[in-house]
Formats: sequence, structure tokens, C-alpha cells
Amino acid sequence: KNEVEQSPQNLTAQEGEFITINCSYSVGISALHWLQQHPGGGIVSLFMLSSGKKKHGRLIATINIQEKHSSLHITASHPRDSAVYICAVGGGADGLTFGKGTHLIIQP
Amino acid sequence: EAGVVQSPRYKIIEKKQPVAFWCNPISGHNTLYWYRQNLGQGPELLIRYENEEAVDDSQLPKDRFSAERLKGVDSTLKIQPAELGDSAVYLCASSPGLLGYTFGSGTRLTVV
Repeated sequence: KNEVEQSPQNLTAQEGEFITINCSYSVGISALHWLQQHPGGGIVSLFMLSSGKKKHGRLIATINIQEKHSSLHITASHPRDSAVYICAVGGGADGLTFGKGTHLIIQP
Repeated sequence: EAGVVQSPRYKIIEKKQPVAFWCNPISGHNTLYWYRQNLGQGPELLIRYENEEAVDDSQLPKDRFSAERLKGVDSTLKIQPAELGDSAVYLCASSPGLLGYTFGSGTRLTVV
């Protein structure tokens, strides 16, 4: 079974700061997902990566398949970015294995 | 296009009572998942459906949990009787095949 580790578990930053959240996994995968979960519980899919880098607005996700590592970056962070960010790997017949999430708070 | 719809959003029940959650996946998504997420943890798979067939229910506590997906579309997850430890967020997700998940808003269950 894949083990997914995220760091940091909690992160508090000031508005405008550059944010990095890391994810490491133990077994080779077909895809990695970055998800955003707001206090109400709903999850929004941000990125699905199998290689390289993807960018959407102020969010950037990268993955290094050889090192089994991915990062999620937020540029010019804003209080509305405050949420739990979850890394998940796998998919298909085995379903997703989730990390425990990173609780991000952006203070004005 | 409507996303994955779950109801109710919140539910508070007393222990030993039954409870049911409902999920309407995205139209055409053959694969449906039910996850349970405890506080401070990532979601964990309870059951996966391919159309109407439950293909992975190894993590579903079958003594009190049951699920069905009639006609391969909507799905319900039931707990009877509920226990205090069942308090969690129950997430439904669907996908058209192997990848590309869409999650619902979840049902936050509190058992008192």
C-alpha cells in the first residue's frame, strides 16, 4: 500500500507570502492529485499530475517521479486560500490514497 | 454541468439511531466512491462501485454499514445503528473511468 506523507501539517503565513506544501509517496504511481478542502468538508480537485508541472492562476504544482515527490506552490497568497490541502496518489482499480492534509491559514 | 451532489450536508443523530446519506454522481460517471474522513485525517475508502457492482468494499464495516447503487446511478450509504465513533465527514466521488475524480461537498455526521 502506498504511504503518503505531507508537510507541513499546519502552516500559518501572512498575506502575500509564497507558500509551498510538500508531498512524498512510497510507491510509483500513475497520477498524483492535489485537492483543496474548505471547512464545510467539500473537496475541490486542483490538479492531477503525472509528470512535470502545471499552473492554474496563482497555483503551481510540480512532480518528480524519480524522487516520488510533489510540491504545491501558492504565489501571492490571500486569506481566501485558507483551507486544507490534500495530496492523493493512485487511482483506477486501487482508488486514491490520501495524505492527512496540510492546514493552511493566511492572515491578512 | 452539475457536480457530484450529496445530501444532507449536515446530520446530527443520537447513537444507536439509523442514518442514510445520498449521492448523485456526475452523469456518465461509471465509478462511484464513498469515503470517510475523520477529523485531521485524509479520506479513507469505504466502497467503490463500477456501475451497480460493488467491486471493492473491503473497508466497509459490514456489521453496521450498507450501501447500494441501484441502476448504476445514485447511491445511498446507510449506518444502522450509528455509534459515537462514526462521527466524520462522508464523501462521495465519481469518475468516468480510471482517473479524473470529482468530489461532492460531503455529509458531516455528528453522533451524540
